[in-house]
Amino acid sequence: DAGVIQSPRHEVTEMGQEVTLRCKPISGHDYLFWYRQTMMRGLELLIYFNNNVPIDDSGMPEDRFSAKMPNASFSTLKIQPSEPRDSAVYFCASSQGDTQYFGPGTRLTVL
Amino acid sequence: KQEVTQIPAALSVPEGENLVLNCSFTDSAIYNLQWFRQDPGKGLTSLLLIQSSQREQTSGRLNASLDKSSGRSTLYIAASQPGDSATYLCAVWNNDYKLSFGAGTTVTVRA
Repeated sequence: DAGVIQSPRHEVTEMGQEVTLRCKPISGHDYLFWYRQTMMRGLELLIYFNNNVPIDDSGMPEDRFSAKMPNASFSTLKIQPSEPRDSAVYFCASSQGDTQYFGPGTRLTVL
Repeated sequence: KQEVTQIPAALSVPEGENLVLNCSFTDSAIYNLQWFRQDPGKGLTSLLLIQSSQREQTSGRLNASLDKSSGRSTLYIAASQPGDSATYLCAVWNNDYKLSFGAGTTVTVRA
């Protein structure tokens, strides 16, 4: 398996623009997680899904953030409108059982 | 809320020395504990997972111990090599199936 795939790897955008991050989990995994990593706050869980259903979105910072999982092989994290403080590395992870497998991350820069 | 602390924040050792990385957590009602490695600009790679009923787990030169009652885990890396240079993250699986991460220990092994 290719592992968790994320796209794009890097995104530079201007404040106010919509940003969509994409994730393809490992086939057969029934959990999918979105994390954000910054120097100040470390790794934070934003939201996770089980069998495509959002289970806990308490980590989503505000209404500008939304996540969907239309099927077992695809998820998106959208920020609209984006702000400079959203600049971070966003990771997607999937699991079936106890171990989480992380994607390479998307480095987002909002100017 | 679970708080995970890693000490030290950074560590520099000459090649061949053994490494000892510490992790502490505030809520002992955990499901399991996982150690990850993160290379600069990369995602996280799972190293070891210790179930809450276990006291230690070993993989090659790596050994992780868990003392759930005192809220501590230690990662030992024997005979360190320059390739071990990375950031090591401790993550606690809470009973709500959410991971709480420490800030990490950045290790430099000097050749």
